[in-house]
Amino acid sequence: SAVISQKPSRDICQRGTSLTIQCQVDSQVTMMFWYRQQPGQSLTLIATANQGSEATYESGFVIDKFPISRPNLTFSTLTVSNMSPEDSSIYLCSVDPGTGDGYTFGSGTRLTVV
Amino acid sequence: RKEVEQDPGPFNVPEGATVAFNCTYSNSASQSFFWYRQDCRKEPKLLMSVYSSGNEDGRFTAQLNRASQYISLLIRDSKLSDSATYLCVVNLSGGSYIPTFGRGTSLIVHP
Repeated sequence: SAVISQKPSRDICQRGTSLTIQCQVDSQVTMMFWYRQQPGQSLTLIATANQGSEATYESGFVIDKFPISRPNLTFSTLTVSNMSPEDSSIYLCSVDPGTGDGYTFGSGTRLTVV
Repeated sequence: RKEVEQDPGPFNVPEGATVAFNCTYSNSASQSFFWYRQDCRKEPKLLMSVYSSGNEDGRFTAQLNRASQYISLLIRDSKLSDSATYLCVVNLSGGSYIPTFGRGTSLIVHP
């Protein structure tokens, strides 16, 4: 299965600033997803990162707040912009390796906004 | 109605017990089903895929009931190390194959 390197693993940020999270995959994958997981909750899909085009955002998430880049089939970034304490969460990237054996996740970024 | 529903638990069982979780899904056209395990402060990891014919992996058995639109996970001879949150994942069809997660069921296995 695919191996994902996600950075940073954690950060504490001041409100009003932005943080960019990176995910690097060790193989080319078509489908790449960004999730948010708040304490005690399940994963909420933020957007699907599309290679060479704009990301597809889920209801409640907008590009201005969560800009995403996908320059190639192995790499994507998610930026959390103009952060507030409500953005404190774990952010995870995920890929579908296309083997039919489920999805692989990055190790997550634990974000705290103060 | 939520697309994927799970009893959040927690299920608190002694070592050696058998425990079962169910997960219901609302879209009858769903194609793929998985159980993931998530340990505290870690990312979810695939436990097993769920096939139409059911499948077993050691102490774990997964079943799919399309008529009633649920999947189940049975854990036999529970170990302390089985304590985790178990996430049901359903791949809702419609061309995009985007996975939808249940909120997870917490399992606590005690001595």
